[in-house]
Amino acid sequence: EPEVTQTPSHQVTQMGQEVILRCVPISNHLYFYWYRQILGQKVEFLVSFYNNEISEKSEIFDDQFSVERPDGSNFTLKIRSTKLEDSAMYFCASSEQDRPGELFFGEGSRLTVL
Amino acid sequence: GESVGLHLPTLSVQEGDNSIINCAYSNSASDYFIWYKQESGKGPQFIIDIRSNMDKRQGQRVTVLLNKTVKHLSLQIAATQPGDSAVYFCAEGTNFGNEKLTFGTGTRLTIIP
Repeated sequence: EPEVTQTPSHQVTQMGQEVILRCVPISNHLYFYWYRQILGQKVEFLVSFYNNEISEKSEIFDDQFSVERPDGSNFTLKIRSTKLEDSAMYFCASSEQDRPGELFFGEGSRLTVL
Repeated sequence: GESVGLHLPTLSVQEGDNSIINCAYSNSASDYFIWYKQESGKGPQFIIDIRSNMDKRQGQRVTVLLNKTVKHLSLQIAATQPGDSAVYFCAEGTNFGNEKLTFGTGTRLTIIP
């Protein structure tokens, strides 16, 4: 069964460092998303991406965050200068043209900022 | 410092029994509702969805009920199995096709063998 894959599974970084989280969405999907979940808390929307541009973003997704689809398969989230409060599980998700609301989530990348 | 986690509602059900998980959503403009299951250490997994023009939808062993009048959503799981143990989130969205979903707090379901 096709799945969304994310790397790394866990990254530890120092505050102020740049981090790139990588995702390979399901191949025929056209909508891409990043969500995050701080330990023990709700899953929160960060950004949605369609047709090579951001379609919507939350207030969490400030200038420190960016997304990119550098080629036909990868979808990345970059945090330019990490803060302690960026520590969370980051989930990538994708959905297909005909059922855009059925999001398929990856297993997540855990980011720990020290 | 350490994050303080939300206190999750919990529900324990005997294996084989039916379970009902409830959710109150917040935005009357939401037109799309989804239930997700999250097992420990994994990403949310889509279970079932419902559009606002429906009040009931059935899947395999699951039924979602939507009451727009009181902004309430429920997930019924029939004949529960040990593999149903997980945290269940409801999520709401608007502008179907541009899924900025707002997730609820979650309910931890434990199936007792």
